[in-house]
Amino acid sequence: EADIYQTPRYLVIGTGKKITLECSQTMGHDKMYWYQQDPGMELHLIHYSYGVNSTEKGDLSSESTVSRIRTEHFPLTLESARPSHTSQYLCASGSSYEQYFGPGTRLTVT
Amino acid sequence: KNEVEQSPQNLTAQEGEFITINCSYSVGISALHWLQQHPGGGIVSLFMLSSGKKKHGRLIATINIQEKHSSLHITASHPRDSAVYICAVRWGGNQFYFGTGTSLTVIP
Repeated sequence: EADIYQTPRYLVIGTGKKITLECSQTMGHDKMYWYQQDPGMELHLIHYSYGVNSTEKGDLSSESTVSRIRTEHFPLTLESARPSHTSQYLCASGSSYEQYFGPGTRLTVT
Repeated sequence: KNEVEQSPQNLTAQEGEFITINCSYSVGISALHWLQQHPGGGIVSLFMLSSGKKKHGRLIATINIQEKHSSLHITASHPRDSAVYICAVRWGGNQFYFGTGTSLTVIP
C-alpha cells in the first residue's frame, strides 16, 4: 500500500490568490514529482526533485514553485492563481523502479 | 508532439474478452511504466519494465526493445477493469513522458 497524501483534494479559489498544494509521502523516496493533467489529456511534468534541497522544472511551465526541505514533503505553490491554472495536480514519489501517485488535487480558479 | 503513442484511444469490450492495449515510442528508453487511472483521477501503478514480460493476476505486460513497442494484455476482462490505461516512458533521466491513455469500457 502506497502512502502518499495530497491536500486539499478539491479547491475553488479566486484569481490572484496565493495557494499551496501539499504532498507528503512516508516511504522515504528520494524522487518526488508534480504533474498537471487536464481532463482527457496526458500528464505533464511541472516539477521534480531528486532529494532534499534539489528541485528542477519539468517541461510544462505553470508559474509555480516547489520546495524540498524534508524528504517526505514536497509542496507546490502558485503565487497568483489564474483561471488557466484550473486543472488536476498529481503528486508522485518513487525510485528507479516504481512510482506511486497521490489522489490528486482538483483546482478551480474562478 | 507526443512521442509516446497509444492505441486504441477508446476500447469497448464484452466481459470475458481478451484485451490488448498498445504503446509505441520513438527513441530508446530506460524504463516503461503502465498505469491505471479510474474515474475520479486516482492513478495506480501496474507495471514498470525495461525488458521481457511481467504478469500480475489477469494482467500481462510485454516490451520489445528493438521494436520500441509495449503491450498490456488483460485476460478474462471484467467491468471493474474499466479505466484509462496510461503508458509512460523514461529515456535517460528521471522524467517520465506520458501517452494520452486508452479508455477501456468493459460491458457486463
